[in-house]
Formats: sequence, C-alpha cells, structure tokens
Amino acid sequence: SQKIEQNSEALNIQEGKTATLTCNYTNYSPAYLQWYRQDPGRGPVFLLLIRENEKEKRKERLKVTFDTTLKQSLFHITASQPADSATYLCALEKGKTGRRALTFGSGTRLQVQP
Amino acid sequence: DAGVTQSPTHLIKTRGQHVTLRCSPISGHKSVSWYQQVLGQGPQFIFQYYEKEERGRGNFPDRFSARQFPNYSSELNVNALLLGDSALYLCASSLFPEPRNTEAFFGQGTRLTVV
Repeated sequence: SQKIEQNSEALNIQEGKTATLTCNYTNYSPAYLQWYRQDPGRGPVFLLLIRENEKEKRKERLKVTFDTTLKQSLFHITASQPADSATYLCALEKGKTGRRALTFGSGTRLQVQP
Repeated sequence: DAGVTQSPTHLIKTRGQHVTLRCSPISGHKSVSWYQQVLGQGPQFIFQYYEKEERGRGNFPDRFSARQFPNYSSELNVNALLLGDSALYLCASSLFPEPRNTEAFFGQGTRLTVV
C-alpha cells in the first residue's frame, strides 16, 4: 500500500540554524509533491510545490528537493526563526487522475529555540 | 479576498447523532475537497466535488456524504456518529478539478468532538 513517512519525532534546532525535514514515500509515483505548514488547531498553509521532473525549488528561506529515484523529498528552512516553529506536512499527488486528492504524511513538528 | 471559510469552528455531538459541516471556497474556485485529520496524523482525503459532481471519494464509510451547491459551497454530512469520528475536518478549494501544478487552499477547519 502507499506509504508516506515523515519523522514522527519533533525536530529541535537553535535559531539561525538550517532545519532539514525528510519525506520518504513507497508504492507511489507522484507527479507533484507539496509542503504545507500547519499551526495547532489551524488548517494547512501551502509553502512550496515541486514537480516530478524538477530537482529543486526555492522560495525565500525555503528550499525543497525531490529525488524520484530515492523516493524522497528534503525540505530546508535556512536561518530559522522561532516563528518557524510549527508542524510541516509533506503531501503527494498523482497526475492525470481526474481528481484532486492529496496524500499526506503525518507531519514533523519543528521547534526553533531562541 | 476571503479565503476558504468553514462553519462551525467547533462542534460537540453525541454518538449516533448526525452532523453537517459547511464550506465556502475561494471566489472563482469550483473544486472543493474534504479531509479528516485525526490528532497526530496528516489529513486524509474524504471527497472531492467539482461543478456539483463527485470527482473522487476516499476510503470512508457510507455514513459520510457530501454535496456541492450551484454557488460552489459544499456540505459534508456524517450520520450515526462514532467516537472515532472526532477530528479536525478540513475543506480545501482549488481552481482546477485535477492537479495542474497548483496548490490547494485550506480553511481553518471544524473541530468535531463526539462524546
């Protein structure tokens, strides 16, 4: 069955350091991979989308890589700030299915210490 | 512009009751999807509607149903509530009915507690 794995343990880092979050998947061939941020009790907020034929995408302090051979995506936040503390969700989506149905990982909680 | 709006924000129901959750998509978006997020887990796909027709259904029992109205707003209905239905219910809207290199926009969710 399809499986998306994100580190279930919280990631604690110091302010100013780079946070790296991992998303691994099996039995899946996504056309698109997305990263969302979710604060407690709130809905996910879109951060970045990368397509299967792209290796890397950047947006301000955020960078995502996508390796379809390793079936892995890495999400980086450089110069991290306490305001970056949240749960980060990886979501995959197949193309040409005729519908929008994101498959999410369980998320990794990031805690940035001042 | 208003984002995706959901109502109510919180709800407490008793086992066996029925519940209706509502969602208004972003103006101009015709696709609405519903997700269930149990505490500690990622959102799980329930339904997608586009132009008032069901385009996709996740692995949920028939107690779950939904519909979309001519103004593209949507309702999620859950019958015969179980304790395990307690979750954050999320609505997401998007411009297109299928993936086209675009993101989904989520509402703040409805927190349903079944007692």
